[in-house]
Amino acid sequence: DSGVTQTPKHLITATGQRVTLRCSPRSGDLSVYWYQQSLDQGLQFLIQYYNGEERAKGNILERFSAQQFPDLHSELNLSSLELGDSALYFCASSAGRTAAYEQYFGPGTRLTVT
Amino acid sequence: GQQVMQIPQYQHVQEGEDFTTYCNSSTTLSNIQWYKQRPGGHPVFLIQLVKSGEVKKQKRLTFQFGEAKKNSSLHITATQTTDVGTYFCAGGMNTGFQKLVFGTGTRLLVSP
Repeated sequence: DSGVTQTPKHLITATGQRVTLRCSPRSGDLSVYWYQQSLDQGLQFLIQYYNGEERAKGNILERFSAQQFPDLHSELNLSSLELGDSALYFCASSAGRTAAYEQYFGPGTRLTVT
Repeated sequence: GQQVMQIPQYQHVQEGEDFTTYCNSSTTLSNIQWYKQRPGGHPVFLIQLVKSGEVKKQKRLTFQFGEAKKNSSLHITATQTTDVGTYFCAGGMNTGFQKLVFGTGTRLLVSP
C-alpha cells in the first residue's frame, strides 16, 4: 500500500459526459501528479501540482483540468469525453516538487468511455 | 520534446535466465529512477541513481547510470516468475523547471 488513494476504482460513462477523478496523496506529500496509461502503453504525464499550485503541464488536453485543494487532495476533471479517453488514470505523490523525489502511485482509476 | 526510450519493448525469458533493459535519453539527466509495474498494478519505485557511473544493487537487480548521464540499465540475474511486469525508467530533466520523464517501458514475461 503506497498510502495514495484514488476514487473511484472504476468508472464507466458515455461519450460527451464529464467525470471527476479524486486523489489523496500520502500524508506529508505536497506534490500530486496525474498520469494517463492507455492499454499496454507507457505513462503519459498530464499535470503536476505542488502545495496547491500548478507546477508543470504535460500532454494534457484542453478538455481536461485539475486542481489541488488546501487539504492537498487533487481532482482531475475530464469533460466532453471521447472513446479515446478510455484509459487507466494514475495519481502519484511525492514529498518535494522536483524530479529528485520518488513518486508513490495510487491504485488508479480505470475509465471506460462507451 | 524530451524523450526517454527503453529497449527492448518486450522480452520473454525462461526462469533462471538473465534480463537487461536499457534506457536512453537524448539529453543529460539530473537523475534516473526505476519503477516496476506488475500486471494489473501500479508503478512502484525501485531505486534512484544520481551520480555519473553510479551502480547500485538490490539482491538480483543491478542498476547502472551511464558516465554521460544519458543512459541507464537494469539487469536482473537469474529471473524468477515474480519478476514479471513492466519496468520503467524515469529521467530527471531540466526544462526551465525540473521534471521526471518516464521511459516507454520494457515488459518482461518469465516462463517457469
